[in-house]
Amino acid sequence: QLQLQESGPGLVRPSETLSLTCSVSGGSIRSRSYYWDWIRQSPGKGLEWIGSVYFGGTTYYNPSLKSRVTISADTAKNHFSLNLNSVTAADTAVYYCARQGTLGDFDYWGRGTLVTVSS
Amino acid sequence: SALTQPASLSGSPGQSITISCTGTSSDVGGNDYVSWYQQHPGKAPKLIIYDVSNRPSGVSNRFSGSKSGNTASLTISGLQAEDEADYFCSLYTSGITLEVMFGGGTKLTVL
Repeated sequence: QLQLQESGPGLVRPSETLSLTCSVSGGSIRSRSYYWDWIRQSPGKGLEWIGSVYFGGTTYYNPSLKSRVTISADTAKNHFSLNLNSVTAADTAVYYCARQGTLGDFDYWGRGTLVTVSS
Repeated sequence: SALTQPASLSGSPGQSITISCTGTSSDVGGNDYVSWYQQHPGKAPKLIIYDVSNRPSGVSNRFSGSKSGNTASLTISGLQAEDEADYFCSLYTSGITLEVMFGGGTKLTVL
């Protein structure tokens, strides 16, 4: 059974970089059948797609976040990571990692991790 | 959100309800890559419909999806108390680049 688990700091200072890792077990992120994604949800709000990383390291980003986001994959450790720089309070959210089939369906999700941006 | 959903809906046990997800001819009207997710409080979203009308294994057949023009719809028949949750639609597009957008979400209350 595929499992995804987010990890990283729960508190980030404004203007600094938010860094999270998603550890994948029960499957390989080297699969050519899937993308590996980050999605966030601000408190009481809807879902926002952040971006994807695919086999070979190809990445896709939400245009509204593209200038601040980097997603990368470490196939040796079977995990992928999110870096979001120059954070503000508006970046406070629960961050989820998820597996995406190649046509936009997110079939496995991590439990999510709350990241608060505050001084 | 580029995809518009009603903020809230309610229904009684046993009834059927339909949640709409409206876009434009350039997005919802232009492809069949609409998915739906159910999210209970404090939980991660769960995929319940993909490619407009397909159900993943294990999802109740009380959930069904459809699309007409620029509007996709999720219908829940035989409403049950456990269906009370937030529901989100999403759309995958692959024009110049790959992108996924979500609707604003609909809070379903079972009366």
